[in-house]
Amino acid sequence: ETGVTQTPRHLVMGMTNKKSLKCEQHLGHNAMYWYKQSAKKPLELMFVYSLEERVENNSVPSRFSPECPNSSHLFLHLHTLQPEDSALYLCASSLTEGGVNEQFFGPGTRLTVL
Amino acid sequence: GQQVMQIPQYQHVQEGEDFTTYCNSSTTLSNIQWYKQRPGGHPVFLIQLVKSGEVKKQKRLTFQFGEAKKNSSLHITATQTTDVGTYFCAGPQGNQAGTALIFGKGTTLSVSS
Repeated sequence: ETGVTQTPRHLVMGMTNKKSLKCEQHLGHNAMYWYKQSAKKPLELMFVYSLEERVENNSVPSRFSPECPNSSHLFLHLHTLQPEDSALYLCASSLTEGGVNEQFFGPGTRLTVL
Repeated sequence: GQQVMQIPQYQHVQEGEDFTTYCNSSTTLSNIQWYKQRPGGHPVFLIQLVKSGEVKKQKRLTFQFGEAKKNSSLHITATQTTDVGTYFCAGPQGNQAGTALIFGKGTTLSVSS
């Protein structure tokens, strides 16, 4: 257990569905991240929130919509996804100050888009 | 754009053999981090290197940060089956400590006994 939880752990959805991924951290961190990990690609940074403000959006399609209501919670809202969006979605958190800014990852949500 | 590259992509060794993965950045890094992801798991932080030429050891693992702070390596001595997994290096995006990370593609290590 890293102190970062993600739900659901597995999700199967059709292209017309709307679903949300949830991430929660209990580490007192002030930054949270969404990553996409596909089979043959590196960890792709999708969104960064620092102090609850989005500071990074790496050209992610608008069918992915993040939400950070407070420093402990992060959501990724999904709608009209494509089969190529099937991947492991990882949430991470960190402190943005101090000497070591390691990222703590959650277990991920394995998403399959049919 | 900023890139972090790792080689090799895959490495298979016999238990007891040594293993090394290399990481190269297109830009100078303020620090470099290493993570390990076990099969079916999520990345777990191993270490952060900050100083030019820094060398750190964790039991059988030795981490190095290059003098120019653009490359790094991870060396495992006498591999064990518990070392199986993918090893990622990562550097701060935009070379600012405390921000998002750019990850390499990782080196997947398999070990046969």
